[in-house]
Amino acid sequence: DVKVTQSSRYLVKRTGEKVFLECVQDMDHENMFWYRQDPGLGLRLIYFSYDVKMKEKGDIPEGYSVSREKKERFSLILESASTNQTSMYLCASRDSGTGNEKLFFGSGTQLSVL
Amino acid sequence: AQSVTQLDSQVPVFEEAPVELRCNYSSSVSVYLFWYVQYPNQGLQLLLKYLSGSTLVESINGFEAEFNKSQTSFHLRKPSVHISDTAEYFCAVSDTGGFKTIFGAGTRLFVKA
Repeated sequence: DVKVTQSSRYLVKRTGEKVFLECVQDMDHENMFWYRQDPGLGLRLIYFSYDVKMKEKGDIPEGYSVSREKKERFSLILESASTNQTSMYLCASRDSGTGNEKLFFGSGTQLSVL
Repeated sequence: AQSVTQLDSQVPVFEEAPVELRCNYSSSVSVYLFWYVQYPNQGLQLLLKYLSGSTLVESINGFEAEFNKSQTSFHLRKPSVHISDTAEYFCAVSDTGGFKTIFGAGTRLFVKA
């Protein structure tokens, strides 16, 4: 079975801390994505990566950065966490090419910034 | 750019009743359309998708959706719901050549006994 694993289910951090959210996929997918999910807003794309060391900004990249040093791992970094970054963060991956548009999601990381 | 509007934030329905979850999209280019489902404390799973061909697509658990290009809609329907269908449902769109999938705000389906 395909799997996207997010390292933490719940995280509590303080304002100003540097926060790392890790995501690993075991499907050899080229493309990986970070979304945040907020009630009433659905999922909003933060960043995505279509290859190792390649990244593109999504719709709400401010306050975030990403790292993709290996194909299977995509990290989301909050350089200085703020309370408005309290949210559910979802990682997803998919393969390239027509017919591979399905996204595979991790279970999510609920981040609380106090 | 694409956008997705889910017209109902919550839909309560009794078990064995029919349900329709509404979704409209906007795009200036050809699109792929999706419905994802999120059960409590889980990530999203693909329920069904429209890429091309027949405008009516079905899932393995009895849901169906119809792509209507003239009305830019992709409504999700089930003729008889079960308690286990209680979840949040997300409509999504991507352009046929791009990487990005854009999601709607979600519709919470509550199935009552």
